Amino acid sequence: GAVVSQHPSWVICKSGTSVKIECRSLDFQATTMFWYRQFPKQSLMLMATSNEGSKATYEQGVEKDKFLINHASLTLSTLTVTSAHPEDSSFYICSLTPSQGAAYEQYFGPGTRLTVT
Amino acid sequence: GQNIDQPTEMTATEGAIVQINCTYQTSGFNGLFWYQQHAGEAPTFLSYNVLDGLEEKGRFSSFLSRSKGYSYLLLKELQMKDSASYLCAVLDSNYQLIWGAGTKLIIKP
Repeated sequence: GAVVSQHPSWVICKSGTSVKIECRSLDFQATTMFWYRQFPKQSLMLMATSNEGSKATYEQGVEKDKFLINHASLTLSTLTVTSAHPEDSSFYICSLTPSQGAAYEQYFGPGTRLTVT
Repeated sequence: GQNIDQPTEMTATEGAIVQINCTYQTSGFNGLFWYQQHAGEAPTFLSYNVLDGLEEKGRFSSFLSRSKGYSYLLLKELQMKDSASYLCAVLDSNYQLIWGAGTKLIIKP
């Protein structure tokens, strides 16, 4: 199967600072990338969908100025949590849809656990 | 609105069989997924159903009835490592995944 990496796997930051999370596909090109957030004991919540070369589409209730998404290339997407607060502490997961694959194919990264103190 | 329902938690015994149900109401349907998620890890793909019927893959099987908006995941010969959350997700008409809240499966010796 396809390999997706996320970096960092975990990060602790102070309130008010910004954190950048990278999502990279290692063996395929991805036209579409999804960013999810998961709070403890809850299911995944889609934050935004990004297509390479265009602006991300954010889900209702997700602040686009706080969660900056950059889909700079067909193998890399970044999520920047700006001015992080303790309530932003969560598990952030990306998933990618291969450009050459079926629309239903999604491959998940291993996730990034963010703790804001 | 879009809705996916699955039980919050289930308990089963090692070596037994367990069936996890999922019902859905979504705007459009382009398939239903089952994922396994261990605590602190990302989901891993188990199955994808787009046509009615049963798909068998080793110890795991998944069933779909589109007319009833219903699916189940069947796990046979349960092992302790099967203790995890099982997520049902539907791909809607916009090819976005709509997620259920997950079923936490507890396996007892």
